[in-house]
Amino acid sequence: SQQGEEDPQALSIQEGENATMNCSYKTSINNLQWYRQNSGRGLVHLILIRSNEREKHSGRLRVTLDTSKKSSSLLITASRAADTASYFCATEEFYTGANSKLTFGKGITLSVRP
Amino acid sequence: DTGVSQNPRHKITKRGQNVTFRCDPISEHNRLYWYRQTLGQGPEFLTYFQNEAQLEKSRLLSDRFSAERPKGSFSTLEIQRTEQGDSAMYLCASSRQGGDQPQHFGDGTRLSIL
Repeated sequence: SQQGEEDPQALSIQEGENATMNCSYKTSINNLQWYRQNSGRGLVHLILIRSNEREKHSGRLRVTLDTSKKSSSLLITASRAADTASYFCATEEFYTGANSKLTFGKGITLSVRP
Repeated sequence: DTGVSQNPRHKITKRGQNVTFRCDPISEHNRLYWYRQTLGQGPEFLTYFQNEAQLEKSRLLSDRFSAERPKGSFSTLEIQRTEQGDSAMYLCASSRQGGDQPQHFGDGTRLSIL
């Protein structure tokens, strides 16, 4: 079953604009991660935010986490055509065992127009 | 870090045939995961290894599916008596042991059942 729900499902913006993507989830988590996937390729890890963190930055990426609302957002600033891809949020559920499997949402398709 | 390698990249087979996929993880990673991804969806967890031990299997992994990681390095995923519904991208990922570790994905094996 898929835990995350991303919003919007598709986003089209002009190069240079900012892109904001949202994710909601259902259970308690250890961390939340964002991945990018180009067509026909595997997923590339972008950023990980722990359950006790509220905001994290990496280059042009900014991710926030609100555990009270069970939601996260990913902001890509100054978008480029190369940012065109599908973006997925994934949660590592709170679990005291050894498993660290990820539960993914359905993804957001981002198109950046040159 | 040579990345996660999956072979073959594409597999086309007739319904009822057996298929086997291989995954070579990043060498220092002792955790290995298999996911399945269908068109327009996020990856869904199938199974997970820590070293050679298979620690969890999803309900998605029917009796026709078997995964091994005999020496704690590469892994194989076999599907017996393939069905139309098995058509999907099969993704392998690996990570270090420990909390809050990102997963590194291969480019997947796309399976098409005729």
